[in-house]
Amino acid sequence: SYVLTQPPSVSVAPGQTARITCGGNNIGSKSVHWYQQKPGQAPVLVVYDDSDRPSGIPERFSGSNSGNTATLTISRVEAGDEADYYCQVWDSSSDPLVFGTGTKVTVL
Amino acid sequence: EVQLVQSGAEVKKPGESLKISCKGSGYSFTSYWIGWVRQMPGKGLEWMGIIYPGDSDTRYSPSFQGQVTISADKSISTAYLQWSSLKASDTAMYYCARRLRGHDPFDYWGQGTLVTVSS
Repeated sequence: SYVLTQPPSVSVAPGQTARITCGGNNIGSKSVHWYQQKPGQAPVLVVYDDSDRPSGIPERFSGSNSGNTATLTISRVEAGDEADYYCQVWDSSSDPLVFGTGTKVTVL
Repeated sequence: EVQLVQSGAEVKKPGESLKISCKGSGYSFTSYWIGWVRQMPGKGLEWMGIIYPGDSDTRYSPSFQGQVTISADKSISTAYLQWSSLKASDTAMYYCARRLRGHDPFDYWGQGTLVTVSS
């Protein structure tokens, strides 16, 4: 089945930029979605179709996708951005929905 | 306002059966897929399966096929996830979420149902 690999953790100082990668074979040919999950809460969609933002999501959240890597970028990081982030794609294999391994973002 | 409201936390013994629910409101329940996602303690998200309440078309992840049953009652806008014989390893938070079609994301999620299986 299709595998999405994320770094376990990313640390960033307030006001700086956090970049979270999601690696997969030819992921650039797929639509990538990103979810934010804060402790004790359900996931929230923050970016869909590689780079679109749902209503209510700050412009500080952006995404890109090319080749074998998709990236979620959080600009001007705030303390409230501290959370786990998961990428997700739909695949044509026998296990069509795949989540990435997850990345914990820590704001220093 | 779109809402997915899940049933409350459950504590069960190994071997017992269980059915948890996810009630949708604020949208056309039969026009969106409802998926179920497992999150074991301290772990990541795992997709279990998905159902289209409009015609009950259901797909399962190979990892969960035969382990759980997904169903829906469109007359009361509710989807279900059930087990016939729980194991301790089923202890987890379970989320429902809706998807419009195709490769769309899960745009709204339920609040989660914590299932604890312990003797």
